[in-house]
Amino acid sequence: EVQLVESGGGLVQPGGSLRLSCAASGFTFSSYWMHWVRQAPGKGLVWVSRINSDGSSTSYADSVKGRFTISRDNAKNTLYLQMNSLRAEDTAVYYCARPIDYYDSSPFDYWGQGTLVTVSS
Amino acid sequence: SYVLTQPPSVSVAPGQTARITCGGNNIGSKSVHWYQQKPGQAPVLVVYDDSDRPSGIPERFSGSNSGNTATLTISRVEAGDEADYYCQVWDSSSDHPYVFGTGTKVTVL
Repeated sequence: EVQLVESGGGLVQPGGSLRLSCAASGFTFSSYWMHWVRQAPGKGLVWVSRINSDGSSTSYADSVKGRFTISRDNAKNTLYLQMNSLRAEDTAVYYCARPIDYYDSSPFDYWGQGTLVTVSS
Repeated sequence: SYVLTQPPSVSVAPGQTARITCGGNNIGSKSVHWYQQKPGQAPVLVVYDDSDRPSGIPERFSGSNSGNTATLTISRVEAGDEADYYCQVWDSSSDHPYVFGTGTKVTVL
């Protein structure tokens, strides 16, 4: 059974940092690109970042570029999101998501339960 | 960047048909995916590549895509279908390639 379990969320002050983790199991993690998607309270889904299967290629939404870094450890089956210079508008539930297949336009067929990040003083 | 527009809400009586639209410039040339999200839960993929269903998704969920509008159709609506629904595409020409629609709240009367 495919499982994605996020952790690392919490309350952080503006300007602070946080690292999210997503532990994957039930599939060959090293074969799949992985993504982070976030959802502000009461708002819609917004794509944040993606990383290719071996970690050599990444991309980011403009809103987080230069502040967030996606990475992965295929030996530990874990995806990460390092978030620096956090702002109030980064407050959201952060989901890791796995695409259904190995092509760019592939939809996300597995999602974690999400971890809440609150940026507030 | 590419924009996907959905109606904020759709109301439907049990047993009837709900249609949720997703508007975008020439969206018919893209593959559209649809997600269902219930309160406090992660999204669930219900239709992908315009009209395919993942295993375990009832045949009551179907999709179509043409011109500037994609549509998710839920036939024989049940109380358990009450949720938010989001369309999503991959826009190869954008720096922000994975685009979600604004979301539609489906209310079962």
